[in-house]
Amino acid sequence: EMQVVESGGGLVQPGGSLRLSCVGSGFTFSNYWMSWVRQAPGKGLEWVANTNQGGNEKYYVDSVKGRFTISKDNAKNSVYLQMSSLRAEDTAIYYCAQNNNWFFDGWGQGTLVTVSS
Amino acid sequence: QSALTQPRSVSGSPGQSVTISCTGTSSDVGGYNYVSWYQQHPGKAPKLMIYDVSKRPSGVPDRFSGSKSANTASLTISGLQTEDEADYYCCSYAGSYIHWMFGGGTKLTVL
Repeated sequence: EMQVVESGGGLVQPGGSLRLSCVGSGFTFSNYWMSWVRQAPGKGLEWVANTNQGGNEKYYVDSVKGRFTISKDNAKNSVYLQMSSLRAEDTAIYYCAQNNNWFFDGWGQGTLVTVSS
Repeated sequence: QSALTQPRSVSGSPGQSVTISCTGTSSDVGGYNYVSWYQQHPGKAPKLMIYDVSKRPSGVPDRFSGSKSANTASLTISGLQTEDEADYYCCSYAGSYIHWMFGGGTKLTVL
């Protein structure tokens, strides 16, 4: 059964940094694009970033460009989101999802990031 | 760029049908047949219900169906069941710059 598990969330001060991790299992990790999608408290979903099978193509929503970096380690079946210069508006649950062709499949349970002083 | 437009809420009685609309532009919904729909119960992760406008993943009941006309996609749930009560989000590919757009979400209440 396909599964992804996120970790690394927590409370961070504005301007701080945090690294999220996502480990996949039950599928050939190296064959898939992977995405991060976030959901602010009580709000809707927002695509944040994705990377291709080999991790050499990376795309971001405008609001995080220059601050967030996505990376992929197929040897560890893992995808990461390095977040820096964090702002209050980055507060959200961050979900990792298999980016299967033109949709998102196999979502994890998410990890909560809270940016507050 | 604004999110795709969905009604804030819809409701129906058990056994009835409801349709949730998702309106975008020719740059997203209207430009690609890559609309997907996600169900999210409170405190849970989203679940894929429809992809590529009208395709159902295995395990999703055939009570769920999707369609698209011009810049508006729709999710129809027939034979409503109490467990269908959840938030529903549409999503569309929006090209190589914007990439992915989600709708604001629709809360379905089964009365």
